[in-house]
Amino acid sequence: DGGITQSPKYLFRKEGQNVTLSCEQNLNHDAMYWYRQDPGQGLRLIYYSQIVNDFQKGDIAEGYSVSREKKESFPLTVTSAQKNPTAFYLCASSYGTGGTEAFFGQGTRLTVV
Amino acid sequence: AQSVTQLDSHVSVSEGTPVLLRCNYSSSYSPSLFWYVQHPNKGLQLLLKYTSAATLVKGINGFEAEFKKSETSFHLTKPSAHMSDAAEYFCVVSERYSGGGADGLTFGKGTHLIIQP
Repeated sequence: DGGITQSPKYLFRKEGQNVTLSCEQNLNHDAMYWYRQDPGQGLRLIYYSQIVNDFQKGDIAEGYSVSREKKESFPLTVTSAQKNPTAFYLCASSYGTGGTEAFFGQGTRLTVV
Repeated sequence: AQSVTQLDSHVSVSEGTPVLLRCNYSSSYSPSLFWYVQHPNKGLQLLLKYTSAATLVKGINGFEAEFKKSETSFHLTKPSAHMSDAAEYFCVVSERYSGGGADGLTFGKGTHLIIQP
């Protein structure tokens, strides 16, 4: 079945650690996105990529990094520079940008311990 | 530039009664509009979409929405609420010509739908 897979579902990070969230899609979509969701704030865009080996900062990119070495994969690294990383992270993909709907993974809940 | 406003952060209805979730948008170009649903600790699922065809759009699970350009609205409705409809709902606008290379999707802050038994 086609879809987007995020792993792990739950992730715990110690202070000062970098952690990487995985996102894989088999929908043959060109565009991929990472969003952060906090209670009452909706979804905020962290990074997006319209094509392999290219990505753009979103509204809240500070403390995060991404790579897009393959069309299917768009991992997100939460670095120690992100001061408040506890949140629900959603990965999405779409055929392109502008007018097309996005398909979402099931999310990763990251907690700092 | 585009924006979307969901007018209610919480809506509570009784099971079996109609549901109305309100969404207003702003867009410089011809917009596409979407409604997504999110159950707790899950991803977002597309309920329905408007992309310049019929202004009344039917979606899954009995939901529908009407695009009203004169009112810049895209309200979500359902004739009869079911307990399983309890969830968070997001209205999303996307310009089919985003111009500056932005991702094109702008999310509302969400409406939490509560269904009373």
